[in-house]
Amino acid sequence: EDQVTQSPEALRLQEGESSSLNCSYTVSGLRGLFWYRQDPGKGPEFLFTLYSAGEEKEKERLKATLTKKESFLHITAPKPEDSATYLCAVHSGGYQKVTFGTGTKLQVIP
Amino acid sequence: EPEVTQTPSHQVTQMGQEVILRCVPISNHLYFYWYRQILGQKVEFLVSFYNNEISEKSEIFDDQFSVERPDGSNFTLKIRSTKLEDSAMYFCASGNTGELFFGEGSRLTVL
Repeated sequence: EDQVTQSPEALRLQEGESSSLNCSYTVSGLRGLFWYRQDPGKGPEFLFTLYSAGEEKEKERLKATLTKKESFLHITAPKPEDSATYLCAVHSGGYQKVTFGTGTKLQVIP
Repeated sequence: EPEVTQTPSHQVTQMGQEVILRCVPISNHLYFYWYRQILGQKVEFLVSFYNNEISEKSEIFDDQFSVERPDGSNFTLKIRSTKLEDSAMYFCASGNTGELFFGEGSRLTVL
């Protein structure tokens, strides 16, 4: 059974204060690791896909990295509009389903 | 930009009633999914659908649930004899390569 654990559960940052969110995973044959953003009452919004250890992806103030056991979402100089829940999910070999972690709720204070 | 659309956005039903949630996936996607999210909890996989049949389902997806692609565009989730614990946000998603694109969700409230 695939396992995805995210930490911290919640994170409060001052505007401009950079930080990282962690996603640890245990899967049988990783086919892809995904990061999503979810705003309250909305569906998850796709951000990144990472396929292999050492891979990095960037989008605006966000950068996602991947190792063999975990992924990090680095947020550089966040703004209040970055406030959301960030979800990590994995797609493993032999399965169609994508398994989600519980998310990190990020609040960026002006 | 293509998107997944879901209807209704909110449905209130009495316990024991049947509900049908509807989705229009992105047109060139081959894989379709239903997920649910109980308030404050994680996004949970229910079922995946490919080539007009269920390709995978979770333990949650028991005989109470069914899915159908009645035509070339719609994808539906039917919940028979709803229970209080079925109250949740239900998300439809579609994709081709593992990256899933989600709709805005249908909030189901069972009274």
